[in-house]
Amino acid sequence: NAGVTQTPKFQVLKTGQSMTLQCAQDMNHEYMSWYRQDPGMGLRLIHYSVGAGITDQGEVPNGYNVSRSTTEDFPLRLLSAAPSQTSVYFCASSAVGGPEAFFGQGTRLTVV
Amino acid sequence: DQQVKQNSPSLSVQEGRISILNCDYTNSMFDYFLWYKKYPAEGPTFLISISSIKDKNEDGRFTVFLNKSAKHLSLHIVPSQPGDSAVYFCAAGSVSLAGNMLTFGGGTRLMVKP
Repeated sequence: NAGVTQTPKFQVLKTGQSMTLQCAQDMNHEYMSWYRQDPGMGLRLIHYSVGAGITDQGEVPNGYNVSRSTTEDFPLRLLSAAPSQTSVYFCASSAVGGPEAFFGQGTRLTVV
Repeated sequence: DQQVKQNSPSLSVQEGRISILNCDYTNSMFDYFLWYKKYPAEGPTFLISISSIKDKNEDGRFTVFLNKSAKHLSLHIVPSQPGDSAVYFCAAGSVSLAGNMLTFGGGTRLMVKP
């Protein structure tokens, strides 16, 4: 029962570098989303997808890109990393009608 | 402007006693609410939810109460156990929002002392 799998678990980037955070789910969920967690601020929505080929912006989308070519995968791309993007990133999936969302174990990203 | 707020960043409770975690919201469009539990270095895990048409939902030791007029919900854990020590997030969503998007509070760290 893999559920939602995120890779890598840890990453250190230099300012200006780009990278992709991977997310895969095996529950055949239509909905997937990316959140970032910062101290005292809970989880904030970055981007979400309601199905393959359909994505939209959340609360804090600047500096991030997403695409959804398959139901299973929803990668998050950092175009040019900045220290303000230092955070813990969580990918989540949920079924149509939800409301429960299932989360991956997170990726801790540090930008120096 | 935070639409979901958890005003207590931390709570300490003795084992066996009741833990009460509180959450306030401002958006009347929310029609379901959830509580998540998070251990360090793990993702949030779903605990319990409640629809806006109900005022109480119970699952074992966990009960969630919703007061719509006050825009307030609370999670009761009875009896509290040391394994309940974690960060608890309340979250809210709306069926009118695509993708089951959730708005989270800032979290409350619960410490249950043996």
